[in-house]
Amino acid sequence: KQEVTQIPAALSVPEGENLVLNCSFTDSAIYNLQWFRQDPGKGLTSLLLIQSSQREQTSGRLNASLDKSSGRSTLYIAASQPGDSATYLCAVYSGNTPLVFGKGTRLSVIA
Amino acid sequence: EPEVTQTPSHQVTQMGQEVILRCVPISNHLYFYWYRQILGQKVEFLVSFYNNEISEKSEIFDDQFSVERPDGSNFTLKIRSTKLEDSAMYFCASMAGGRTDTQYFGPGTRLTVL
Repeated sequence: KQEVTQIPAALSVPEGENLVLNCSFTDSAIYNLQWFRQDPGKGLTSLLLIQSSQREQTSGRLNASLDKSSGRSTLYIAASQPGDSATYLCAVYSGNTPLVFGKGTRLSVIA
Repeated sequence: EPEVTQTPSHQVTQMGQEVILRCVPISNHLYFYWYRQILGQKVEFLVSFYNNEISEKSEIFDDQFSVERPDGSNFTLKIRSTKLEDSAMYFCASMAGGRTDTQYFGPGTRLTVL
């Protein structure tokens, strides 16, 4: 059964800092991995989708990498801003379960 | 930009009552999903729907749950007899194509069972 773990559970950084969020999964037979942002009490906003054949994807200040063989992904956020404060979720699509989610990393960017 | 919409945003119900949560997926998407998130816990998959039938479902999706696409636009989740533990945020998602595509999520319906 696929399990997804995200480290750290919470992170607080000063504005302007570059940061890395980590995601690991137990079964490397995935179709893709998706990073989401969730604001308190709100829905999920898709940030990046990495196919199993890809190594990374970039969107603006966000860069996500995937190492399928080791079961790891990282989300890199450059020059963080207070508006980046949210919970970031990692989810993998594998087997017969469309998306298996991690518990998320709660990010606070302090002005 | 097209988006997934859900109604209501918040539903309060008494234990044992039936509830129907509604979703309008992005038009021309073919795959539809329901997920739930109990407060403080992970988002969990409930069911996927394709070609007018359930394609996959989790252990959570028992006989108390059902899904329907009553017309060309709506996608509903029905809980027949709600329990306290059904209190959660319920998210609908849709996807254009197959497993390689992005899933787009709605804003969620917060269900509170008293």
